[in-house]
Amino acid sequence: QKEVEQDPGPLSVPEGAIVSLNCTYSNSAFQYFMWYRQYSRKGPELLMYTYSSGNKEDGRFTAQVDKSSKYISLFIRDSQPSDSATYLCAMIIIQGAQKLVFGQGTRLTINP
Amino acid sequence: NAGVTQTPKFQVLKTGQSMTLQCAQDMNHNSMYWYRQDPGMGLRLIYYSASEGTTDKGEVPNGYNVSRLNKREFSLRLESAAPSQTSVYFCASSDTLFTGELFFGEGSRLTVL
Repeated sequence: QKEVEQDPGPLSVPEGAIVSLNCTYSNSAFQYFMWYRQYSRKGPELLMYTYSSGNKEDGRFTAQVDKSSKYISLFIRDSQPSDSATYLCAMIIIQGAQKLVFGQGTRLTINP
Repeated sequence: NAGVTQTPKFQVLKTGQSMTLQCAQDMNHNSMYWYRQDPGMGLRLIYYSASEGTTDKGEVPNGYNVSRLNKREFSLRLESAAPSQTSVYFCASSDTLFTGELFFGEGSRLTVL
């Protein structure tokens, strides 16, 4: 079993829809949580970064962390065609043997 | 501002050939990384360098070697390429090891025939 599980999709939704992307994890030592966005044939770029349970908002994007359930989500409101990309969750252990683990990535397409 | 620069962007090799992927960052970061990305597998860490003068194995180091040439440059070498090493390779850098934002290059697409 992988430490971080992410549905690879692909996910296709119409423009303006609310998108929910999710990751689950098995290691309770993960403390920091991130979402990266990767456009086709480009490197990933950091989108959201959070370390506490609860919600963090940035414009149309909301990152949600539920440490008790070992579950994180990224919500995209009023989705735009420019949001079409692969979204990767990532998690960090900073105490002891430091580690950063990426999910498999979810390929998202927003249709005009 | 160039960020992280990788060369070459594309390469085709025959089985058994060797090659080196070059990476340079201009952000004065301490830590650098090499990842490979394969369909359905996400990003897997090959090697990393916490700071100049140190390198460590990641999740999938077999068949690769690295050199942290100086603070800016981190190269990845395939000594005897195999078809299983066909992948997209990404170099990344960050100010501190594994924490904070990782800045990625645009990737190097390698095909081994």
